[in-house]
Amino acid sequence: EAGVAQSPRYKIIEKRQSVAFWCNPISGHATLYWYQQILGQGPKLLIQFQNNGVVDDSQLPKDRFSAERLKGVDSTLKIQPAKLEDSAVYLCASSLVQGASYNSPLHFGNGTRLTVT
Amino acid sequence: QQQVKQSPQSLIVQKGGISIINCAYENTAFDYFPWYQQFPGKGPALLIAIRPDVSEKKEGRFTISFNKSAKQFSLHIMDSQPGDSATYFCAAMVVEYGNKLVFGAGTILRVKS
Repeated sequence: EAGVAQSPRYKIIEKRQSVAFWCNPISGHATLYWYQQILGQGPKLLIQFQNNGVVDDSQLPKDRFSAERLKGVDSTLKIQPAKLEDSAVYLCASSLVQGASYNSPLHFGNGTRLTVT
Repeated sequence: QQQVKQSPQSLIVQKGGISIINCAYENTAFDYFPWYQQFPGKGPALLIAIRPDVSEKKEGRFTISFNKSAKQFSLHIMDSQPGDSATYFCAAMVVEYGNKLVFGAGTILRVKS
């Protein structure tokens, strides 16, 4: 099966600019996640979608980050305006059913590396 | 209580040796403990996972040991190979509606040939 697709692979922007990342999950996966991975740290969940509804966005900085999953398939994560501390790899993941589990593990894309200067 | 503490931060092992990475947690409600392997420029990939009703799970050269009373679990890589050089993350979650996977900080493993 095709994996989780993300684009772009790299993005360099100046602070206060905006940026958007795109994710296409594995076909048929109902749950989609955006994680932020800062260098030297483990991934941190930003937002979780079940189909096109938000399940958990408790760690999403809503004053600058937004995400949508129209039609329950592709998703876009946007940052506006970006700050220096937003420099990280943004990982998209998907799972077959709601929430990762023993029988429905998370599958990650290769991420978008964002550098804010 | 949602944290997963992982150690060591980095590890160097000789080819053929045993690599051991440890994780500890506080939330006793966690009931799913996966390990992920991440190569540079790639996303994390599921390596092996365990449920708390099992004390050990082995898949090839990779073994998870789970100690429920101590709230600790570890990854053992037997006969470590240079191709195992990667960053390893432990994680934990409660498998129910809306719960999220919590990751450790990661261990950078280097296997010297």
